[in-house]
Amino acid sequence: AIQMTQSPSSLSASVGDRVTITCRASQGIRNDLGWYQQKPGKAPKLLIYAASSLQSGVPSRFSGSGSGTDFTLTISSLQPEDFATYYCLQDYNYPFTFGPGTKVDIK
Amino acid sequence: EVQLVESGGGVVRPGGSLRLSCAASGFTFDDYGMSWVRQAPGKGLEWVSGINWNGGSTGYADSVKGRFTISRDNAKNSLYLQMNSLRAEDTALYYCARDVASGGAFDIWGQGTMVTVSS
Repeated sequence: AIQMTQSPSSLSASVGDRVTITCRASQGIRNDLGWYQQKPGKAPKLLIYAASSLQSGVPSRFSGSGSGTDFTLTISSLQPEDFATYYCLQDYNYPFTFGPGTKVDIK
Repeated sequence: EVQLVESGGGVVRPGGSLRLSCAASGFTFDDYGMSWVRQAPGKGLEWVSGINWNGGSTGYADSVKGRFTISRDNAKNSLYLQMNSLRAEDTALYYCARDVASGGAFDIWGQGTMVTVSS
């Protein structure tokens, strides 16, 4: 199975900060990667698919990049509603796998 | 409105069985693959199982392989997860999600149904 790692596991940031989260796959997955935001008590929300495509309705401060094994989610200017946990997901092949998550909280 | 609604969760003893259902509405169900994703209390997301549009291709996490079976009934716009030989570590909130073919895109999620495995 393809293993997904994320770094950092958590970070503290302020409103307006630029935030970068990385995800690494244990083998190449082309661009078959999505990024999700989850807030407590809520279902995950798709932010980015195909590594760099912005899901409809998601603010443009979110962006994704990467291909192969290394991927990045960037929030250009952190907003109060962005404090949440972020996950990457690979669906290159079965079994699909999520990264362990990155919790973004308020500094 | 595009919607997924899970049901069938509950409390079950170790070794028991449970069948989860996911009712889809507001879209053409057989245009999409579907997946089950779970989240144990206070833990991260774990992909459990997936199925393609016609049921011809399925996949399972190693943790559930041989115990869980995913299926779908396109005539009923429904997805299922048959869970057998349940263990305490299967305790989680189970979500169904719509899979937009590739690119890691699970674009629609249900609200989840809770499964508790306890004696």
